Amino acid sequence: AQSVTQLDSHVSVSEGTPVLLRCNYSSSYSPSLFWYVQHPNKGLQLLLKYTSAATLVKGINGFEAEFKKSETSFHLTKPSAHMSDAAEYFCVVTRASGNTPLVFGKGTRLSVIA
Amino acid sequence: GAVVSQHPSWVICKSGTSVKIECRSLDFQATTMFWYRQFPKQSLMLMATSNEGSKATYEQGVEKDKFLINHASLTLSTLTVTSAHPEDSSFYICSARGGNNAGTRNSPLHFGNGTRLTVT
Repeated sequence: AQSVTQLDSHVSVSEGTPVLLRCNYSSSYSPSLFWYVQHPNKGLQLLLKYTSAATLVKGINGFEAEFKKSETSFHLTKPSAHMSDAAEYFCVVTRASGNTPLVFGKGTRLSVIA
Repeated sequence: GAVVSQHPSWVICKSGTSVKIECRSLDFQATTMFWYRQFPKQSLMLMATSNEGSKATYEQGVEKDKFLINHASLTLSTLTVTSAHPEDSSFYICSARGGNNAGTRNSPLHFGNGTRLTVT
C-alpha cells in the first residue's frame, strides 16, 4: 500500500532562514506526490506536485521539492522563511492509479519565529 | 482554476439531530468526490469515495448508515451525519479532481474549505 511518512511533527525556524520539511514515501509503483499546506481552521492549498516529469518541482510561494527515488524521499524546502509560512504541511501520495483518493502524512507544523 | 465549494463552513447541532454538508464543484464536473475527516491536530483521514449515480464506497471502520453520502449530480455531493453524537465533532473536508487529466492520479485534488461540526 502507498504511504508517506513525515519525519518531523513540528519544525521551528527563524524568519529569513531556510525551511526543510522531510517526507519519505512507500509505493509499489511510480508515485504521484504532493505537498499541501493548511492554515489554521482553513482548507488545504496545493503547494506543488510531482508526476514523474522533472524531479525538482517548483511550487507556489517559493517552495520546491525534489523527488529522490534512491532515497524514497520528497522533502519540501524554501530558501527563506516568512512569518506567513507558519502552518501545517502535509506530504501526500495517491493511493493507486486512476481517479483515486490521496493518502496523507501525519503533517508537520511549521513555526516561524520573528 | 478549479474550485470546490463546501457549505456550511461551520455548524453546531444538538446530539441526536442530523446535519447535511454540501460539496460543489463550481467550474468542472466531478464524477468522483472524496470525503475526509480531520480531528484536532491530526491528519486527514479518508471516509468515503462518492461516485455520481452510484453508491459511495466507504473506508473500513466508517459507518455507512451514519454517514450518508449522496452524489446525485456531476457537481454536487452531500454528506449527512445522522443522529450526531459529540464524538462526531470534527472538521469534514470534501475534495474532487478537476482540470486536465482529471481522471488520473496525476491531477491534484481540489479541496473545499471544510465544515467544522460541533455536536453538543
